[in-house]
Amino acid sequence: GENVEQHPSTLSVQEGDSAVIKCTYSDSASNYFPWYKQELGKRPQLIIDIRSNVGEKKDQRIAVTLNKTAKHFSLHITETQPEDSAVYFCAAAGSGTYKYIFGTGTRLKVLA
Amino acid sequence: ETGVTQTPRHLVMGMTNKKSLKCEQHLGHNAMYWYKQSAKKPLELMFVYSLEERVENNSVPSRFSPECPNSSHLFLHLHTLQPEDSALYLCASSQEGRLEGETQYFGPGTRLLVL
Repeated sequence: GENVEQHPSTLSVQEGDSAVIKCTYSDSASNYFPWYKQELGKRPQLIIDIRSNVGEKKDQRIAVTLNKTAKHFSLHITETQPEDSAVYFCAAAGSGTYKYIFGTGTRLKVLA
Repeated sequence: ETGVTQTPRHLVMGMTNKKSLKCEQHLGHNAMYWYKQSAKKPLELMFVYSLEERVENNSVPSRFSPECPNSSHLFLHLHTLQPEDSALYLCASSQEGRLEGETQYFGPGTRLLVL
């Protein structure tokens, strides 16, 4: 069945360093890729998304890249801050569907 | 944050109890979703409603029964649950529920513990 693999499951970085989280999807028809951030005890919140007609999208310190050929997409956080510490989820949505397939999440810890 | 609200936030129930989870969205959306979030597992889609019609039932056991009386409210009725049903239950909404690439907005979740 369709699935999304996410790596790493945990990531620790020093404040100010960059963090990269990678996802691979199986359904070649997927064309929408959102990223959610979930802080401890809080709801998942959309932080950035990308559609298949775009290779890269950036919003301040956050960027997402998409390689459709390899079926990979990645989240890049630069100049990390302690408040970036959270669990990050990637997801893929297929063509003609509202159904998200989520990755297993990455717990990011930014060490001060 | 008041876009999508859920009650109760925490719930402890025995295996023979019947309880209901409630979700309300104030975003004017037409689609609502129930997800189950268990530790170290991906978010699992349970049900999707679009314009009060159930459009997705993701092989969920019948001990979970959804209800969508209108596009702003969604319930999840629980009965004779098992301990493995303990999880965070998240509600979400999106604009239409029938279009690809819609952003889903999540509620804060109900933390359920089944004893």
